[in-house]
Amino acid sequence: DAGVIQSPRHEVTEMGQEVTLRCKPISGHNSLFWYRQTMMRGLELLIYFNNNVPIDDSGMPEDRFSAKMPNASFSTLKIQPSEPRDSAVYFCASSLSRMTGGQQETQYFGPGTRLLVL
Amino acid sequence: KQEVTQIPAALSVPEGENLVLNCSFTDSAIYNLQWFRQDPGKGLTSLLLIQSSQREQTSGRLNASLDKSSGRSTLYIAASQPGDSATYLCAAQGNYQLIWGAGTKLIIKP
Repeated sequence: DAGVIQSPRHEVTEMGQEVTLRCKPISGHNSLFWYRQTMMRGLELLIYFNNNVPIDDSGMPEDRFSAKMPNASFSTLKIQPSEPRDSAVYFCASSLSRMTGGQQETQYFGPGTRLLVL
Repeated sequence: KQEVTQIPAALSVPEGENLVLNCSFTDSAIYNLQWFRQDPGKGLTSLLLIQSSQREQTSGRLNASLDKSSGRSTLYIAASQPGDSATYLCAAQGNYQLIWGAGTKLIIKP
């Protein structure tokens, strides 16, 4: 398996532009996570999908951020309009997990998308 | 609210030394405790996962322990090598969500 695939790996854009980040989870995994990592705040969970359904989006910073998972093999994270404070590394991770309770499996991370908003 | 703390924030040791990285968490109601490695500019790689019912897990030169009652986990690295240089993060899992520590940046000097 190729692991979690993210694209693009790097994105430089100007403030106000729309940014779309893409993720392909590991085949067979039923959970998908979008994280943001910055020096100041560390790793933050933005949104969690289980069986393609958004379960927890409380980490999404504001309405400028949106995420979709149209099928089990693809997810997008969109920022519109982008701002300089959105500059960070965005990770996608997937796992085979129960939504609640019991043992949980580890999450497998993609290589991340480095976003710079000028 | 779960909080995860890692000490020290950075550590530099000569090659060959055994070392311990510490992780503490405030809420013992966790499903598991996980250790990850992050290399500069790369994603996170899972190293060890300790289920709440377990006390420790081992993988090669790595050994992780879990003491839920005291809210502590340690990652022991034996015979450190320059290739072990990376940032090590621990995360406590409640349901689906991982609560992350800030990480320990480890440098192994040749």
